[in-house]
Amino acid sequence: DSGVTQTPKHLITATGQRVTLRCSPRSGDLSVYWYQQSLDQGLQFLIQYYNGEERAKGNILERFSAQQFPDLHSELNLSSLELGDSALYFCASSVVGAGEQFFGPGTRLTVL
Amino acid sequence: KNQVEQSPQSLIILEGKNCTLQCNYTVSPFSNLRWYKQDTGRGPVSLTIMTFSENTKSNGRYTATLDADTKQSSLHITASQLSDSASYICVVPLSGGYNKLIFGAGTRLAVHP
Repeated sequence: DSGVTQTPKHLITATGQRVTLRCSPRSGDLSVYWYQQSLDQGLQFLIQYYNGEERAKGNILERFSAQQFPDLHSELNLSSLELGDSALYFCASSVVGAGEQFFGPGTRLTVL
Repeated sequence: KNQVEQSPQSLIILEGKNCTLQCNYTVSPFSNLRWYKQDTGRGPVSLTIMTFSENTKSNGRYTATLDADTKQSSLHITASQLSDSASYICVVPLSGGYNKLIFGAGTRLAVHP
């Protein structure tokens, strides 16, 4: 158990819908990262937050957005969902903006 | 282009046998390289982190090597167990920092009894 929690574990929705994925970092970690892993693909970095501020951006679509709240939990919002958005979404956290990242168990999103 | 390439793509071995997974990277500047184990449908778990000055590092039955000159790393698994069945991912941070990671596609290892 990495100490990073993600909810929900599974999510099934329809195209065009909007969903919110939630992540709670390890106690004391200030930085949160979001990754997308499509079927049989490698992890793709989406976005990083550090202490509430956006720190780095990767291959995140404009339909996706994220934020980190004062209690340091983070949410990833996915809108106008398409079939191709079906994937595992992982959250990771680290103590500071740099450092070893600890991954959560992931949220499996299925778009029908 | 900053890339991490792994080979083989997949591997099947018998329980108790050893195996070696390869990682080549072109990320520059280089600060460290990480090996993660990812069970199917689970989050990656760190096995080892190797810095520029380290050539070999062990974690139980896992031994990682790094050649910073040739930009190659390997992960050697000794006396494999069924629980070693997983994807092994080589990861290198971008731009010498820790925040953005470049992931290899992984090697999918299956250990059969």
